[in-house]
Amino acid sequence: GEQVEQRPPHLSVREGDSAIIICTYTDSATAYFSWYKQEAGAGLQLLMSVLSNVDRKEEQGLTVLLNKKDKRLSLNLTAAHPGDSAVYFCAVSEGNAYKVIFGKGTHLHVLP
Amino acid sequence: EAAVTQSPRNKVAVTGGKVTLSCNQTNNHNNMYWYRQDTGHGLRLIHYSYGAGSTEKGDIPDGYKASRPSQENFSLILELATPSQTSVYFCASGDEGNSDYTFGSGTRLLVI
Repeated sequence: GEQVEQRPPHLSVREGDSAIIICTYTDSATAYFSWYKQEAGAGLQLLMSVLSNVDRKEEQGLTVLLNKKDKRLSLNLTAAHPGDSAVYFCAVSEGNAYKVIFGKGTHLHVLP
Repeated sequence: EAAVTQSPRNKVAVTGGKVTLSCNQTNNHNNMYWYRQDTGHGLRLIHYSYGAGSTEKGDIPDGYKASRPSQENFSLILELATPSQTSVYFCASGDEGNSDYTFGSGTRLLVI
């Protein structure tokens, strides 16, 4: 079945720097991709989603890139600030699947 | 505002006791999910449901039951709680075909 690898597990950046998180997946039938943010003591919050026919999507300082050839999904936080400190998860699903596969998460720490 | 509400937020249970975790959603989503989150394991799917009256086993269903009496409500039941079930449990709702889930805030369960 589908497997998702997320890296790095921990990431520290300075305020104003960019932070990049990468997920790789195995199933070429994967059709839908999402990124979530989890702040301390809270549930996961959906940040952004893309369909498989989208290569790049930008919203509010976040950029999602999808490379279907390499089966790689990335999240780029441009100009990170301390409020971005959280755990980030990628999530992928096939078009008609009821189940979503989550990455294991990246702990992002933005230093002031 | 559409939401997923979990109760209780915190629970202490004794080994061998029965525990019921409740989840209510106002998103009118067909699918609901129960996950547990543990350090080093990420999110693991316990049970899910396609709609009222249906429950399906996820990846780690042993020791857990689920109940979906209505579109809005999905419960997770630990008939005989064990210390290994100490964890943070998240409920989520979503529709098939994508990975846009709405998560609850979680229930922190301690089994002593």
